[in-house]
Amino acid sequence: DVKVTQSSRYLVKRTGEKVFLECVQDMDHENMFWYRQDPGLGLRLIYFSYDVKMKEKGDIPEGYSVSREKKERFSLILESASTNQTSMYLCASSSGQGTQYFGPGTRLLVL
Amino acid sequence: EDKVVQSPLSLVVHEGDTVTLNCSYEVTNFRSLLWYKQEKKAPTFLFMLTSSGIEKKSGRLSSILDKKELFSILNITATQTGDSAIYLCAVDLQGAQKLVFGQGTRLTINP
Repeated sequence: DVKVTQSSRYLVKRTGEKVFLECVQDMDHENMFWYRQDPGLGLRLIYFSYDVKMKEKGDIPEGYSVSREKKERFSLILESASTNQTSMYLCASSSGQGTQYFGPGTRLLVL
Repeated sequence: EDKVVQSPLSLVVHEGDTVTLNCSYEVTNFRSLLWYKQEKKAPTFLFMLTSSGIEKKSGRLSSILDKKELFSILNITATQTGDSAIYLCAVDLQGAQKLVFGQGTRLTINP
């Protein structure tokens, strides 16, 4: 079974803090993704990566950056958290054949 | 702009009812359409559809794709309270490593 894990289930941060969200997959997948999920808006792609050290902007990259130093690990960074970044963050991975496997999500609250 | 639209956004039915969830899409370079179920955490994969008119079935769930009219439906018969979830539709694009998601349908099954 594919396993995608995320470092935290719940996080509370203050405005202006730097926030790191970590994602690890154990299936040697090339592709990894970060989404945010908000009610009524579905899943929106923030960034994705198709190889180590490679990254591509998704639909809503503003205010975020990513890092992929190892194949199994993909980090999402909020350089200076703002209240409008309060959301559920989902990480996913795929082998490039369409189906993505998701982690359990991190619910982030920025105060 | 690639777009996936799900309807209804929210649906409440009684246990035992049959429900039909809709997903329409307008995308360039369609490769496949995927359905996911999301309960409290990670979306879990249900179906991948690539060809028109071929029904995919898993227990009480079934899905079909119409590539001419650009939509898919997900049917759930004899619903149970455990079917309560958000159902996500996504389209996989040729030549892109990412999925385009709809807003999701929140299904609630009352006993």
